Amino acid sequence: AQSVAQPEDQVNVAEGNPLTVKCTYSVSGNPYLFWYVQYPNRGLQFLLKYITGDNLVKGSYGFEAEFNKSQTSFHLKKPSALVSDSALYFCAVRERGSYIPTFGRGTSLIVHP
Amino acid sequence: EADIYQTPRYLVIGTGKKITLECSQTMGHDKMYWYQQDPGMELHLIHYSYGVNSTEKGDLSSESTVSRIRTEHFPLTLESARPSHTSQYLCASSALQVHGELFFGEGSRLTVL
Repeated sequence: AQSVAQPEDQVNVAEGNPLTVKCTYSVSGNPYLFWYVQYPNRGLQFLLKYITGDNLVKGSYGFEAEFNKSQTSFHLKKPSALVSDSALYFCAVRERGSYIPTFGRGTSLIVHP
Repeated sequence: EADIYQTPRYLVIGTGKKITLECSQTMGHDKMYWYQQDPGMELHLIHYSYGVNSTEKGDLSSESTVSRIRTEHFPLTLESARPSHTSQYLCASSALQVHGELFFGEGSRLTVL
């Protein structure tokens, strides 16, 4: 069975400061990992994914995520937050061989001016 | 921008009415999904399809039904809407690769009075 946890319901950060949104997962074997962002009254947008290879994955809008197999984590990061980054962020995991992703509960990121 | 479209974006109807939420994608994706999401909350998978004439129920029990007669079209139907069906419904699709990310529509926000 696959599962994903986003331990923080909300993350607050000041504009210009680095941000981290946490995600841990549980799967059998090696995972496919994803981050999505959702703005109010919109669908989810894909940000980045980890398939294999380099543990640091770069994605859209300056976001990146680090895959850590030993800690079963895939935290989303950005060096300098923008107010426009304020949104709901979802982590998702897929077991290899499955076409059904499991989503986390989501983390609300609030970037203060 | 992903080429996946949902209509209507917003719908307010009375109890007992039959409704169909439309979802179409022009990317030729074989896999399609319906999620239910209360505002700012986690996603619940209610239906998915691996291709034409293939439909399966998801993790969340739902009184809705789906069909997949054409690759590009995956409508969701509620035969008799109730206030408990009030929610946002998100349609998504993904490509053949098992590690492919999901592309989401903008969502259909349903309110049943």
